[in-house]
Amino acid sequence: EPEVTQTPSHQVTQMGQEVILRCVPISNHLYFYWYRQILGQKVEFLVSFYNNEISEKSEIFDDQFSVERPDGSNFTLKIRSTKLEDSAMYFCASRETPGTSGRRPLEQYFGPGTRLTVT
Amino acid sequence: AQSVTQLDSQVPVFEEAPVELRCNYSSSVSVYLFWYVQYPNQGLQLLLKYLSGSTLVKGINGFEAEFNKSQTSFHLRKPSVHISDTAEYFCAVSTKAAGNKLTFGGGTRVLVKP
Repeated sequence: EPEVTQTPSHQVTQMGQEVILRCVPISNHLYFYWYRQILGQKVEFLVSFYNNEISEKSEIFDDQFSVERPDGSNFTLKIRSTKLEDSAMYFCASRETPGTSGRRPLEQYFGPGTRLTVT
Repeated sequence: AQSVTQLDSQVPVFEEAPVELRCNYSSSVSVYLFWYVQYPNQGLQLLLKYLSGSTLVKGINGFEAEFNKSQTSFHLRKPSVHISDTAEYFCAVSTKAAGNKLTFGGGTRVLVKP
């Protein structure tokens, strides 16, 4: 069964450094998402991406964050200058667009996550 | 804007006993409802979803949930749990708005005891 993959599984970085988290969505999916989960807290939406542009972003997704689909398979989240409070598990998700299958494909498929630790 | 409340942060339960995880939501528009499970050190896996139609939804691993519009609830149930059901369970909502972002509840940690 196709699945969303994320690399690396764990990233340790120093405060102020740039990090890029990578995701490979399921191949026929066209909607992409990033969520994060700070330890012990709820999963929070960061950004959604469709047709090579951001379709929605949360208040968390400030100028330090950016997303990109550099080629036909990868979807990346960049944090320009990491802060201690960016430490979290970051999940990528993808879904089909309506009409690409016989059902209403609203299910988002999640990757296993990247644990980011900022020291 | 939508919000989701999971009233129980932890639910201990004995093996083969039933379990119910409560979820309430608020939204000014129609919502789609989901339950996700997160096993230790893993990502989120969809258990079941309510999009429309029958209010009783059956999912994987013997779980079911009932959508109650008047009470704005979507409680998850399983009649007999196994040790392997030990995990964190998240209720989530999305709307028909562009992007269909998910808004999650705080999660309920289920600990199944032998």
